[in-house]
Amino acid sequence: KQEVTQIPAALSVPEGENLVLNCSFTDSAIYNLQWFRQDPGKGLTSLLLIQSSQREQTSGRLNASLDKSSGRSTLYIAASQPGDSATYLCAVRRSNDYKLSFGAGTTVTVRA
Amino acid sequence: NAGVTQTPKFQVLKTGQSMTLQCAQDMNHNSMYWYRQDPGMGLRLIYYSASEGTTDKGEVPNGYNVSRLNKREFSLRLESAAPSQTSVYFCASTPRLDSNQPQHFGDGTRLSIL
Repeated sequence: KQEVTQIPAALSVPEGENLVLNCSFTDSAIYNLQWFRQDPGKGLTSLLLIQSSQREQTSGRLNASLDKSSGRSTLYIAASQPGDSATYLCAVRRSNDYKLSFGAGTTVTVRA
Repeated sequence: NAGVTQTPKFQVLKTGQSMTLQCAQDMNHNSMYWYRQDPGMGLRLIYYSASEGTTDKGEVPNGYNVSRLNKREFSLRLESAAPSQTSVYFCASTPRLDSNQPQHFGDGTRLSIL
């Protein structure tokens, strides 16, 4: 069974600081890894998807890296803004499996 | 440009009552999913449907049934609600089961069972 862990559970930073969010998983045989954003009372919005053959993906101020051998992914958000305040979820899809295994998320607060 | 639409958004039930949660997507996706989200836990897959006419159990199917009514709609039914089923339920879809595309989520149904 794939276990996905996100530490810390919550994070508070001043505006302008770079954010570093961590995700670890136990089974390195993955198909892809996805990062989602969830705003209070809302559903999940996909931020980045990294395929197993990729090492990183970038979109604007967001960059996600993947190290399968160590079972880790990191989401970097540059120059954080109050609008980045949300819960960020990591999800891993194993090879030969259609199910996503989700971490519990990291709740980020960016202070103005 | 609705994406994935879930109804209702909120519901309170008494133990033993039945309820159907509705989900519809307008992206012409083949595959659809039902998850539940509980505090401090990641989303857990209840059931999924690879394509119209097929459904399969996920990680936590007990106490639930599903119907893939057509390509657009995938419903989740609680036959006899229990307090342990108090949760936020999310529906999601992807173009195909094996696609390397992200899942698209609805805004959820917040269900409380007293």
